[in-house]
Amino acid sequence: NAGVTQTPKFRILKIGQSMTLQCTQDMNHNYMYWYRQDPGMGLKLIYYSVGAGITDKGEVPNGYNVSRSTTEDFPLRLELAAPSQTSVYFCASSYSGTVVHGETQYFGPGTRLLVL
Amino acid sequence: EDKVVQSPLSLVVHEGDTVTLNCSYEVTNFRSLLWYKQEKKAPTFLFMLTSSGIEKKSGRLSSILDKKELFSILNITATQTGDSAIYLCAVYSGGGADGLTFGKGTHLIIQP
Repeated sequence: NAGVTQTPKFRILKIGQSMTLQCTQDMNHNYMYWYRQDPGMGLKLIYYSVGAGITDKGEVPNGYNVSRSTTEDFPLRLELAAPSQTSVYFCASSYSGTVVHGETQYFGPGTRLLVL
Repeated sequence: EDKVVQSPLSLVVHEGDTVTLNCSYEVTNFRSLLWYKQEKKAPTFLFMLTSSGIEKKSGRLSSILDKKELFSILNITATQTGDSAIYLCAVYSGGGADGLTFGKGTHLIIQP
């Protein structure tokens, strides 16, 4: 199993450009999440999905969109990039949304995004 | 709004020292508290705590939860340079977001 994979690893965007951050998991997990991590800050939840076709907003959804057409893929879309979106983005997945019995979220390696 | 506060935000110690990292929380519906270690890449899971007073231990790392006082500590004994990392505390409240609320992390540096 590759686990959770993310592409690209690093990207520089100009203000106003658009891009899609890709996230794929091969563990047949129902739940997937997108977090952003700013320097000196904890991870903040952007969007999450409880299964194919179902997505919902997290704590900081503004400026982002997601889709979940398959169980495996959960892309994050930035439509009009802004400097405030400079961050490291982590995708995560879990089998269920309930963190019990040691079940936790599995994180991808992250995408570092710089918006200039 | 759920809140997780970690202290200290950064800590520099010498190899062999013992460190204690703190995590306090305010959540509406506490289910569990998790500790992660983050080196250069994604966080990796260390412990999950759900009950007060029961110590979880893995090698030189241990953690305990106090649900009455709403905090947890992570202890690392006989520190090594490989322990240098950001240690993240997160709380799962089982709320609508189905995600974890993370603290800002403690940046731990172990000097040889």
